[in-house]
Amino acid sequence: DIQLTQSPSFLSASIGDRVTITCRASHDISTYLAWYQQKPGKAPKLLISAASTLQSGVPSRFSGGGSGTQFTLTISGLQPEDFATYYCQQLNSYPLSGFGQGTKLEIK
Amino acid sequence: QVQLVQSGAEVKKPGASVKVSCQTSGYTFTDYLIHWVRQTPGQGLTWMGWINPKTGGYAQNFQGRITLTRDTSISTAYLEVTSLGSDDTALYYCAREVDGSTWATLQHWGQGTLITVSS
Repeated sequence: DIQLTQSPSFLSASIGDRVTITCRASHDISTYLAWYQQKPGKAPKLLISAASTLQSGVPSRFSGGGSGTQFTLTISGLQPEDFATYYCQQLNSYPLSGFGQGTKLEIK
Repeated sequence: QVQLVQSGAEVKKPGASVKVSCQTSGYTFTDYLIHWVRQTPGQGLTWMGWINPKTGGYAQNFQGRITLTRDTSISTAYLEVTSLGSDDTALYYCAREVDGSTWATLQHWGQGTLITVSS
């Protein structure tokens, strides 16, 4: 089983800040990682696939990086609509997948 | 446009089973895998499994306690969970992959179905 550990679990930041969320995998998963944003009462929204490919319509202030066992999601210039919970998902252990425990981004 | 519409909320007693439906539209049902994800109250996401609508084959991560099926005639996927316990109280989502070559990357989601297990 591949375990994903996100850090931090909670993050407090201000509008305009640059924040980075880390996702660590227990085994090498190459770039088979996706990032999602979830707001209260809503389904998750896909932000990034293949560790760094921004989905169509996602603002360019979001970026993803990393490979192997360490990955990052960076938001440059936080906007009010970015305050949400973020999840990473590993896609390497076909036929099984899994999510990290989530990072809740709150406004300071 | 791609849409996934799930069945409504249900309340079940411990030990019972529940079957959740996910009706799709806006694309060819048999061209994309459907995944199931659940979220317990106030908690994170748990990936449950997927079904290939073309073949009916599936994989799951719940020790055989879930069954994934589909009806291609009505473009609908189903999740059945048996031997429900209180810790199965959750919001259950179905989701479709972004495209046919990006396994498990989930772009299209249903609205979620709340299953409450209570005596």
